[in-house]
Amino acid sequence: DQQVKQNSPSLSVQEGRISILNCDYTNSMFDYFLWYKKYPAEGPTFLISISSIKDKNEDGRFTVFLNKSAKHLSLHIVPSQPGDSAVYFCAAGEDSWGKLQFGAGTQVVVTP
Amino acid sequence: ETGVTQTPRHLVMGMTNKKSLKCEQHLGHNAMYWYKQSAKKPLELMFVYSLEERVENNSVPSRFSPECPNSSHLFLHLHTLQPEDSALYLCASSQDWGSGSPLHFGNGTRLTVT
Repeated sequence: DQQVKQNSPSLSVQEGRISILNCDYTNSMFDYFLWYKKYPAEGPTFLISISSIKDKNEDGRFTVFLNKSAKHLSLHIVPSQPGDSAVYFCAAGEDSWGKLQFGAGTQVVVTP
Repeated sequence: ETGVTQTPRHLVMGMTNKKSLKCEQHLGHNAMYWYKQSAKKPLELMFVYSLEERVENNSVPSRFSPECPNSSHLFLHLHTLQPEDSALYLCASSQDWGSGSPLHFGNGTRLTVT
């Protein structure tokens, strides 16, 4: 039973525009959320995280928004750059439990 | 230098073979993980070691056998695998066991079982 879902397998966006990636979860006990980025032939790399006590976290061009009531989080990339073309995974977990659940990923392609 | 090194990068093995995947982390982390990534599927947690003790075995078949001889090294021993075990196997480490610590992944071993 998949507790973290990324319903868009792919996203194409023009360079300079905003990329919005979405993630939904079902377990209300999740209290920590992370986004990872993966290039081909490489492992995922940590991008940004947010805890359930916040609704927004920003790091440079990357902002993660959390809507606990809707069990939804999103990642905004502004402005999008060609180097952002990668697969993005969202993950969620419970601090006291120690296991992360991952979504299936969204392939982002940034076009010139 | 990713901090987490996996060898080999690619492995092709027959169903009767025995092979091992190796992972080494240079980050001083206390927890190490094995994940499996099949095509178009979420990453699946297989095993977790915290301070060299196995703390999680996520219903993984016994043909996969992990070993953690010290906090820097993690192995995954493979024997009598099935073709459906073909996948990308990712090792990761984190400062401590818990979702508050971001995972640092290696580049993975692409395994093909023939």
